[in-house]
Amino acid sequence: QKEVEQNSGPLSVPEGAIASLNCTYSDRGSQSFFWYRQYSGKSPELIMFIYSNGDKEDGRFTAQLNKASQYVSLLIRDSQPSDSATYLCAGTYTGNQFYFGTGTSLTVIP
Amino acid sequence: EAEVAQSPRYKITEKSQAVAFWCDPISGHATLYWYRQILGQGPELLVQFQDESVVDDSQLPKDRFSAERLKGVDSTLKIQPAELGDSAMYLCASSAQGGYTGELFFGEGSRLTVL
Repeated sequence: QKEVEQNSGPLSVPEGAIASLNCTYSDRGSQSFFWYRQYSGKSPELIMFIYSNGDKEDGRFTAQLNKASQYVSLLIRDSQPSDSATYLCAGTYTGNQFYFGTGTSLTVIP
Repeated sequence: EAEVAQSPRYKITEKSQAVAFWCDPISGHATLYWYRQILGQGPELLVQFQDESVVDDSQLPKDRFSAERLKGVDSTLKIQPAELGDSAMYLCASSAQGGYTGELFFGEGSRLTVL
């Protein structure tokens, strides 16, 4: 059973702070991990992906992958009110199979 | 900019009625997915197509749901009869085949309300 688990939150951080979102996965055969942002009533949009152990940075976002611990995280630096959304962690398996966590709701307080 | 097209955006129906959703993926994307997302939950895969073939439909309630992608391009998801518990967002997504970096591109979704 391929599963991704996320803390549903809600997570609240003040504007300008670092938001830390976490995700664990059950299947060691999982290949890549994706973070999607989803505003209320909208479809998910990709923030970034990671498939190698370590950190990957893109602007204010840093994804971290630890395959030994089966752990993925997303850090958002200098959080802005526009970052308030639900963040979905997704893993991929062979054959282009994607499976999603339940999402973490983030609120950035001005 | 290439997009995944979905219709209708919103659908209100009564239980026991039939409902159909349509999706046109990004041109050239071989893999097409239908997800169902209940409010407050993550997307749940209903069916995955590779070209015109079904790759995974293990979570599709086959007694009432059907999906097809006859020519390997656009796709239709049907519900007959609709039940109250089917109220959800139905998301279509597509991806180019293979690779560690394959990204899912989502359409805007079809919001279904069953009364």
